[in-house]
Amino acid sequence: GAGVSQSPSNKVTEKGKDVELRCDPISGHTALYWYRQSLGQGLEFLIYFQGNSAPDKSGLPSDRFSAERTGGSVSTLTIQRTQQEDSAVYLCASSYNRVPDTQYFGPGTRLTVL
Amino acid sequence: ELKVEQNPLFLSMQEGKNYTIYCNYSTTSDRLYWYRQDPGKSLESLFVLLSNGAVKQEGRLMASLDTKARLSTLHITAAVHDLSATYFCAVDGQAGTALIFGKGTTLSVSS
Repeated sequence: GAGVSQSPSNKVTEKGKDVELRCDPISGHTALYWYRQSLGQGLEFLIYFQGNSAPDKSGLPSDRFSAERTGGSVSTLTIQRTQQEDSAVYLCASSYNRVPDTQYFGPGTRLTVL
Repeated sequence: ELKVEQNPLFLSMQEGKNYTIYCNYSTTSDRLYWYRQDPGKSLESLFVLLSNGAVKQEGRLMASLDTKARLSTLHITAAVHDLSATYFCAVDGQAGTALIFGKGTTLSVSS
């Protein structure tokens, strides 16, 4: 079946611009997660959605980062006024329910901020 | 602060050899996850260990969990080149939402 999909696969932007990253989870999965993977920092949790609500936003690094999920499905991660330190691979994962269900990861969006 | 530590971080192996990757964690989690990541690719779930003493095997990989020692191992038997990848272990975060990952072990198998 279809897995988690993300778009775009690569995004190059200039410092100060806003970007939107999209995640389409596996159909029927109620839980959705965003992680960031960068050299030297490993995999960092950003935000968790259960349905359309985000009960855990503890990993968002600053108020420039926000995310929403609509219809219990697609999620968008928005980074405003991008900085060079935002450069990373942004991974989305979904699970049938919240942890401890296995999280299935998408291919990621590689963000490069020049 | 919850910590997940893997060692070694880099492992160069010869084909046919055996080796073990260790994952120590600081929480009292009863569950531990192993993922594999190929270069430029996303994470693929390998094992989910759900209780103390759990052991799971898939091909040349075997994972085990000792919750009392807060230790999981990933044992590689008779390594082959196709196993070259980065392996991550992860535990449940304290909020019960996210996974907390180790830094990963990059395995390189050569002939």
